[in-house]
Amino acid sequence: AQSVSQHNHHVILSEAASLELGCNYSYGGTVNLFWYVQYPGQHLQLLLKYFSGDPLVKGIKGFEAEFIKSKFSFNLRKPSVQWSDTAEYFCAVLNTGTASKLTFGTGTRLQVTL
Amino acid sequence: GAVVSQHPSWVICKSGTSVKIECRSLDFQATTMFWYRQFPKQSLMLMATSNEGSKATYEQGVEKDKFLINHASLTLSTLTVTSAHPEDSSFYICSARPGGATEAFFGQGTRLTVV
Repeated sequence: AQSVSQHNHHVILSEAASLELGCNYSYGGTVNLFWYVQYPGQHLQLLLKYFSGDPLVKGIKGFEAEFIKSKFSFNLRKPSVQWSDTAEYFCAVLNTGTASKLTFGTGTRLQVTL
Repeated sequence: GAVVSQHPSWVICKSGTSVKIECRSLDFQATTMFWYRQFPKQSLMLMATSNEGSKATYEQGVEKDKFLINHASLTLSTLTVTSAHPEDSSFYICSARPGGATEAFFGQGTRLTVV
């Protein structure tokens, strides 16, 4: 069975600080990788996704993530966070097999202070 | 972008009653819909996958007689929590995937409180 680990449960940063949230997955086959964000009181929104090709993907709002196949990782980064980035971030993995389903990590709560 | 609407956003019900949650894809046809449950400070746990016109596939440990899922059309899936108990209180989220797509779009979630 596939699983997704997000090691940072709660991260507090000052505005303009750099961000990196870890995501590791376990699955031996081909996967599609996603980062979702959930702002307070809102639904999940897709930040970025990786299907194939360039392992460095750029998403909305200045976020990017790098797929490192050898490390089974898909870490999320942003060079300079803003207060409005305060939210819950979820990494998710979709296996591309016949029983494809999206598995989520436990989430990381990011709090950006002014 | 694709929009998925869930209704209601929150509901309070008495123990022993049943509650129905609707999930609609507003601007696309969703051949597959997913139902998740999210506990506080925890991840989204997939409960079941439903394909239009066929029975839902439940994840291990999810009681199919308790969580009834109907996907009668390409734009609507419903989750009915039958004989709800306080331990069923949670945040339920649906997502919908257009035919042929790998990306799914999420509803805003429904907070269920059973008293």
